[in-house]
Amino acid sequence: GAVVSQHPSRVICKSGTSVKIECRSLDFQATTMFWYRQFPKKSLMLMATSNEGSKATYEQGVEKDKFLINHASLTLSTLTVTSAHPEDSSFYICSGTTGGADGYTFGSGTRLTVV
Amino acid sequence: AQSVTQPDIHITVSEGASLELRCNYSYGATPYLFWYVQSPGQGLQLLLKYFSGDTLVQGIKGFEAEFKRSQSSFNLRKPSVHWSDAAEYFCAVAVYSSASKIIFGSGTRLSIRP
Repeated sequence: GAVVSQHPSRVICKSGTSVKIECRSLDFQATTMFWYRQFPKKSLMLMATSNEGSKATYEQGVEKDKFLINHASLTLSTLTVTSAHPEDSSFYICSGTTGGADGYTFGSGTRLTVV
Repeated sequence: AQSVTQPDIHITVSEGASLELRCNYSYGATPYLFWYVQSPGQGLQLLLKYFSGDTLVQGIKGFEAEFKRSQSSFNLRKPSVHWSDAAEYFCAVAVYSSASKIIFGSGTRLSIRP
């Protein structure tokens, strides 16, 4: 079946540095990639939707300059947390789809800790 | 606005007992509905989905869900739970637009009593 490989699974970084999270669709072309953030014991909050080759659409309240999303190819999307602060510590999950509502494949998530 | 409600934050059932997790949605058209399971620190695994057709949907791991339009519900059921079913369960609805984004419910944590 469809697989989205997300790396790294865990990352610890110092406050003020930037961190890049990658999601690769291994056996399908993800025309759309969704990025979610999940706080402890909470649900998934959609951060942004990115379509291959175009700018990401951010949800209200999400800082586009802090969370940079790139979707340069049909198999790779990246989320860069810039100038990370402890409040950015969270679990980030990506989800890819070929389009339409019948195929969403989630990555395994990235636990980001900013110290 | 579209929304998904999971009224139960935490449920505990005995191993071998039956399970029903509730989900209600608010959406004008026929929704695309999903149930996902998440183990601690892990990503999401799709249990089952409903798009159209038979309103009783069979999924993996012995789970099933029934779409009831009159009640705007999509409850998840399992006749006999196993200790390995302990996890967080999310109901979700796809907003079928050009973005086709998924909206998640707040989740129900399932604990299994030995």
